[in-house]
Amino acid sequence: SQQGEEDPQALSIQEGENATMNCSYKTSINNLQWYRQNSGRGLVHLILIRSNEREKHSGRLRVTLDTSKKSSSLLITASRAADTASYFCAFHTGGFKTIFGAGTRLFVKA
Amino acid sequence: EAGVTQFPSHSVIEKGQTVTLRCDPISGHDNLYWYRRVMGKEIKFLLHFVKESKQDESGMPNNRFLAERTGGTYSTLKVQPAELEDSGVYFCASSQGQISSPLHFGNGTRLTVT
Repeated sequence: SQQGEEDPQALSIQEGENATMNCSYKTSINNLQWYRQNSGRGLVHLILIRSNEREKHSGRLRVTLDTSKKSSSLLITASRAADTASYFCAFHTGGFKTIFGAGTRLFVKA
Repeated sequence: EAGVTQFPSHSVIEKGQTVTLRCDPISGHDNLYWYRRVMGKEIKFLLHFVKESKQDESGMPNNRFLAERTGGTYSTLKVQPAELEDSGVYFCASSQGQISSPLHFGNGTRLTVT
């Protein structure tokens, strides 16, 4: 299967703590992206990291990519209750088709 | 700019009936995608349009599903006849430009087949 796999499936933390979510995949990729989905809403693009990059930052988000291990991680620092959502990794293997995983459900307690 | 809109937001139908989902992409976006998420599992690709042409329909589960994109604008996804396993959330997304361009998603249509 080409699907990505996120780990953990669910994560519950206190406000102010850091949240780390991991993604593994099985094929060669051109880039990897992370999306967020709030309950009942569509997915929103957060950040893209290219296959020749190892780390990327955007505000409180830090994404790493290890192509040798076929894995990526998303770190949200100083989490807030508003960060409560599902987070998905997604990638392209060649064409326009974006492949998603099953997501990590993050719950941030105020 | 207006985002991607999907209609209806919810649909409950009986097995054997027909349902048509509609997606209006962001104006000017040539790429339009349909995805489906079943029971909290992975979001699965169904198909990809470039303007009015189907570029990749490798994810369409079977011939009970028919997608169209009239004039390269809005798209419809028809399920006929619906089966229980078709229940899930159907997402539409659009993008413009490069392969790596981010997808803009609608809020989805939750389909329940009873």
